[in-house]
Amino acid sequence: AQSVTQLGSHVSVSEGALVLLRCNYSSSVPPYLFWYVQYPNQGLQLLLKYTTGATLVKGINGFEAEFKKSETSFHLTKPSAHMSDAAEYFCAVSNTGGFKTIFGAGTRLFVKA
Amino acid sequence: EPEVTQTPSHQVTQMGQEVILRCVPISNHLYFYWYRQILGQKVEFLVSFYNNEISEKSEIFDDQFSVERPDGSNFTLKIRSTKLEDSAMYFCASRGTSLDTGELFFGEGSRLTVL
Repeated sequence: AQSVTQLGSHVSVSEGALVLLRCNYSSSVPPYLFWYVQYPNQGLQLLLKYTTGATLVKGINGFEAEFKKSETSFHLTKPSAHMSDAAEYFCAVSNTGGFKTIFGAGTRLFVKA
Repeated sequence: EPEVTQTPSHQVTQMGQEVILRCVPISNHLYFYWYRQILGQKVEFLVSFYNNEISEKSEIFDDQFSVERPDGSNFTLKIRSTKLEDSAMYFCASRGTSLDTGELFFGEGSRLTVL
């Protein structure tokens, strides 16, 4: 069975500060890992994904995440937060070719001016 | 850019009524999904659909729920005899092929309010 744990339901940063959103996963098979973002009243859209190969993956809007197998983690970072980054962020896991993608509980990011 | 579209955007219904939520997935996609998000809570997997049959479903997806792909474009979620706790945002998603990397493309959701 697969599961995702996101540490911190709310994260608040100042504009220009580092963003770090934490995600740990559990999977009995090599996972595919994803970060999705949800803006108010919208659906989820993909920020970035890890499947195989390079463990540091870059996504849209300056976000990146690093797959660390030894720590079963896939934390999301951005060097400098922007007001427009305020949204809900979901970490997700699926197995290779799997029919089901499991989402974490989400982390709401607040960006202060 | 191709997108997943959902209708209605918001539906209000009385407890015990039947509801059908509709989705038009991206045209060349083969895998279809329904997820549910109760206000302020996590996005929960309901069901996946491939090759005209359910490929996986969660414990939430009981006999009250059904899915159908009645034609080549629509993908529907039917909720029979709605309950108050069915109030949620329902998201449809689609995915390309078995060779892709599993990215899901989501619609903007249908908000269901059961009174």
